[in-house]
Amino acid sequence: GENVEQHPSTLSVQEGDSAVIKCTYSDSASNYFPWYKQELGKGPQLIIDIRSNVGEKKDQRIAVTLNKTAKHFSLHITETQPEDSAVYFCAASIGSSASKIIFGSGTRLSIRP
Amino acid sequence: DAGVIQSPRHEVTEMGQEVTLRCKPISGHDYLFWYRQTMMRGLELLIYFNNNVPIDDSGMPEDRFSAKMPNASFSTLKIQPSEPRDSAVYFCVSAQKGGGQTEAFFGQGTRLTVV
Repeated sequence: GENVEQHPSTLSVQEGDSAVIKCTYSDSASNYFPWYKQELGKGPQLIIDIRSNVGEKKDQRIAVTLNKTAKHFSLHITETQPEDSAVYFCAASIGSSASKIIFGSGTRLSIRP
Repeated sequence: DAGVIQSPRHEVTEMGQEVTLRCKPISGHDYLFWYRQTMMRGLELLIYFNNNVPIDDSGMPEDRFSAKMPNASFSTLKIQPSEPRDSAVYFCVSAQKGGGQTEAFFGQGTRLTVV
């Protein structure tokens, strides 16, 4: 069936270093790939997204890359800061209508001071 | 806009009781999703609506679960009777199609505990 796999499940990096989270998807019709950040006690918040017509998108310290051929996409956070500590979810739209969104299992990112 | 509003934020109930979770989506959005989040299963899609019509309820775990969207500004997720394994955080997600893709916004969630 349709699924999104996310790795790693936990990630600890030194403050100032970079963090990379990777996802793969199964539906070749997927064309929208959002990333969400969930802080403790809150709902996931959209932080960046990428559409299938581009290979990379950047917003300050956050960037996403997409390889449609390999069906994988990644989140890159540079110069990590303590406030980046959270659970991050990747997601992919399902089907050509892109109405349904399936989430990865999440990555708990911890930034060591 | 105040964003997606869910109520209650927390619910503790006894096994066998009926539970109703409520959601007010973002005005103008035409999609509404209900997700359940647990440590074991992560974020699971339960059901979603488009223009108030249920489109896909294949994620609803059992007949004990039901969801309605009587109008564009309100949806409910009901569990009757509730069981301890239903304990989870339930999220309502409001979305609209933009440029061919669905941009989704989460509510704060309802933490349900069934004892």
